[in-house]
Amino acid sequence: GIQVEQSPPDLILQEGANSTLRCNFSDSVNNLQWFHQNPWGQLINLFYIPSGTKQNGRLSATTVATERYSLLYISSSQTTDSGVYFCAVEGANDYKLSFGAGTTVTVRA
Amino acid sequence: DAGVTQSPTHLIKTRGQQVTLRCSPKSGHDTVSWYQQALGQGPQFIFQYYEEEERQRGNFPDRFSGHQFPNYSSELNVNALLLGDSALYLCASSSTSGTWNEQFFGPGTRLTVL
Repeated sequence: GIQVEQSPPDLILQEGANSTLRCNFSDSVNNLQWFHQNPWGQLINLFYIPSGTKQNGRLSATTVATERYSLLYISSSQTTDSGVYFCAVEGANDYKLSFGAGTTVTVRA
Repeated sequence: DAGVTQSPTHLIKTRGQQVTLRCSPKSGHDTVSWYQQALGQGPQFIFQYYEEEERQRGNFPDRFSGHQFPNYSSELNVNALLLGDSALYLCASSSTSGTWNEQFFGPGTRLTVL
């Protein structure tokens, strides 16, 4: 099946800093989503982005489908941005989402 | 507009028992997927239901079974529980209409097997 690798595994930021999270995938995809998992386990949709660039407030994402990677940018980080960020993809012949191992972000005040 | 709902929130069972988890999809969605998330890992796909049929299945044993009802809600059943089945079980819904197949997740059911 399709492989999804996220980097870095852990990220510690000072409040106000900017950061970039990366997601590499091994095959063509129909769907790519970024999620933020809060401490209670809820997966919150950040972006549906199989290709192109999107922005939502301090967050933005870019997917270069031809090169099989996606980037999530967090600008002016806040303590509420802490948590685990997951990238998940749906392969061209799939209905399921395959998740990466996640990036754990800790933002310190 | 209600999002994806799951019940119960928490559940404690003993080895060998059976459990049923429930999921109601987001309004307008017709497809339900189930995922298992062990501590410190990403969610793993169990199966997906569409039109009351299992459309795709992940690498889970037959002890894991499911059902989808005519109102699109779904159940996940796990028989002969093992300690290793302790995890957060997540339900996701999506729609087959339109061009977007974005999945939305419920808050999860945390299952502990003793």
